[in-house]
Amino acid sequence: QKEVEQDPGPLSVPEGAIVSLNCTYSNSAFQYFMWYRQYSRKGPELLMYTYSSGNKEDGRFTAQVDKSSKYISLFIRDSQPSDSATYLCAMSVSGYQKVTFGTGTKLQVIP
Amino acid sequence: DGGITQSPKYLFRKEGQNVTLSCEQNLNHDAMYWYRQDPGQGLRLIYYSQIVNDFQKGDIAEGYSVSREKKESFPLTVTSAQKNPTAFYLCASSSQETNQPQHFGDGTRLSIL
Repeated sequence: QKEVEQDPGPLSVPEGAIVSLNCTYSNSAFQYFMWYRQYSRKGPELLMYTYSSGNKEDGRFTAQVDKSSKYISLFIRDSQPSDSATYLCAMSVSGYQKVTFGTGTKLQVIP
Repeated sequence: DGGITQSPKYLFRKEGQNVTLSCEQNLNHDAMYWYRQDPGQGLRLIYYSQIVNDFQKGDIAEGYSVSREKKESFPLTVTSAQKNPTAFYLCASSSQETNQPQHFGDGTRLSIL
């Protein structure tokens, strides 16, 4: 079993929809949680990061962490075609040096 | 503009050949990392360096080597001992002082000729 599980998709949604992207994990020691967006043939771009549990909002993006369920989510409101990319979750026990990445979920927002 | 520059964007390797991938950052980050990305797999850590002249093996270091002679630079050599080198290679850096997540370059795609 992988430490971090992420549905590879692809996930296709119409423009304007609310998108929910999720990861589950097995290591209860994870405390730092990150979401990256990766366009084709590009490097991952940091979207959001949180420490421990709770929610964090930044514009159309909301990150949620539920440590009791070992489950993290990224919500995208009013999705745009430019949001079409692969979304990687990532997490670590201590700081941001040794990070474990999910395999990524491919999102397609259809105009 | 601060960032991480990886070059070349595409690289081809012949059998038995060593190739070196370049990674330069002007973010004044002390830590630098090399990852390999394959389809259907998460990023896997090859090597990382927290300070100049020091580096540690990651999860898949066999067949790779690195150096860290300058804070700004962390080149990765893919040696002939790496039997399956075809992949997308990503360099990242982070600041331990500010405790911020890693930032990535735009990668080098390595293929076998």
